[in-house]
Amino acid sequence: QSALTQPPSASGSPGQSVTISCTGTSSDVGRYNYVSWYQQHPGKAPKLMIYEVIKRPSGVPDRFSGSKSGNTASLTVSGLQAEDEADYYCSSYAGSTVGLFGGGTKLTVL
Amino acid sequence: EVQLVGSGGGLVQPGGSLRLSCAASGFTFSTYSMNWVRQAPGKGLEWVSYIGDTASRIYYADSVKGRFSISRDNAKNSLYLQMNSLRDVDTAVYYCARGLLMSGLDFWGQGTLVTVSS
Repeated sequence: QSALTQPPSASGSPGQSVTISCTGTSSDVGRYNYVSWYQQHPGKAPKLMIYEVIKRPSGVPDRFSGSKSGNTASLTVSGLQAEDEADYYCSSYAGSTVGLFGGGTKLTVL
Repeated sequence: EVQLVGSGGGLVQPGGSLRLSCAASGFTFSTYSMNWVRQAPGKGLEWVSYIGDTASRIYYADSVKGRFSISRDNAKNSLYLQMNSLRDVDTAVYYCARGLLMSGLDFWGQGTLVTVSS
């Protein structure tokens, strides 16, 4: 199984919206509605932001939203804030024996 | 408060062994699946291994299969990763994380650094 494909970087100004893509295959992203997104600040552990494509854990701002179309999932951050600057990783269930992560996207708030 | 505290990392020579531990508190450990996820310096996340709540289901990434062994002690609220035949490419911060891959890993430990070098 190959890693999921994410753009290495994304950016936006405060208040703007930015969307990060995550491309897999028909065996993972395209097959299951089990895509998660994680936020990681430098030197910190990852934090779950989105699960099952569109769901937000308690405490995650509704500025963060997820979606999926075919083999590509997306994370949208609306109303960008300085604290949103971080690395973002997608993950997809790929069958009971495999876990996949994307290569990560560095989000810069200009 | 949910806490996952990893330990056991350090410097080890290629071919050596190391055992990581993850102490859980603040939740009913025995009812949750657990995972190990690693991150090489400056790189992305890589899922390493999964263990079900009763340890009846265990899975490994191909990159560690046959060398690493995951286990848990529900009486001690602890998760373990026995790492044998370590290679340079195993150098990484190792995180323990709670949950199912399909529904997201909702709590992560602080990570423990493993350095494989001669």
